[in-house]
Amino acid sequence: QKEVEQDPGPLSVPEGAIVSLNCTYSNSAFQYFMWYRQYSRKGPELLMYTYSSGNKEDGRFTAQVDKSSKYISLFIRDSQPSDSATYLCAISNSGYALNFGKGTSLLVTP
Amino acid sequence: EPEVTQTPSHQVTQMGQEVILRCVPISNHLYFYWYRQILGQKVEFLVSFYNNEISEKSEIFDDQFSVERPDGSNFTLKIRSTKLEDSAMYFCASQGGANLGTQYFGPGTRLTVL
Repeated sequence: QKEVEQDPGPLSVPEGAIVSLNCTYSNSAFQYFMWYRQYSRKGPELLMYTYSSGNKEDGRFTAQVDKSSKYISLFIRDSQPSDSATYLCAISNSGYALNFGKGTSLLVTP
Repeated sequence: EPEVTQTPSHQVTQMGQEVILRCVPISNHLYFYWYRQILGQKVEFLVSFYNNEISEKSEIFDDQFSVERPDGSNFTLKIRSTKLEDSAMYFCASQGGANLGTQYFGPGTRLTVL
């Protein structure tokens, strides 16, 4: 069983739509949950960080963690063409070594 | 805004040769990491480094790999005898003391082994 699963997409939405991105994980010891954005041939860029469970909001982005279901989500409101990228979830039990999902490719069309 | 830098951006080498990938982490950060991403695959953890020693490493990080912080600013990854399957993007990341998990990545070095 893979530690972190993420639907690779691609996901295509019109500009202004609400985007929902998700990951599931298998290890109940995970307690650090991050979302990164990666543009083609660039390094991952940290978007959101959550420790343990609950919700966190930052501008148009909301991260949710449901530890009982081992399920994390990233919501993007009022999506823009510049949001087109690959979104990676990253999960850790220690806060050091990160376990990444394979990434979901998002395309926001004008 | 401070950022992690990496050099070179692209390195081409012959199989069996040694390569050194260089990183300059964010200046006040304490934890340093190397990850790799083979084309089309997920980002994979290689090694973490704290207080001048390896704190954790993955199964990928075998005896062919080594890391060093030779001075107060650089952090290097050495691959002693490159193999074809070492071809990948190599990312350096750094993290401050607070908020474990908040790692900031460099732009990567693309390593091509011929």
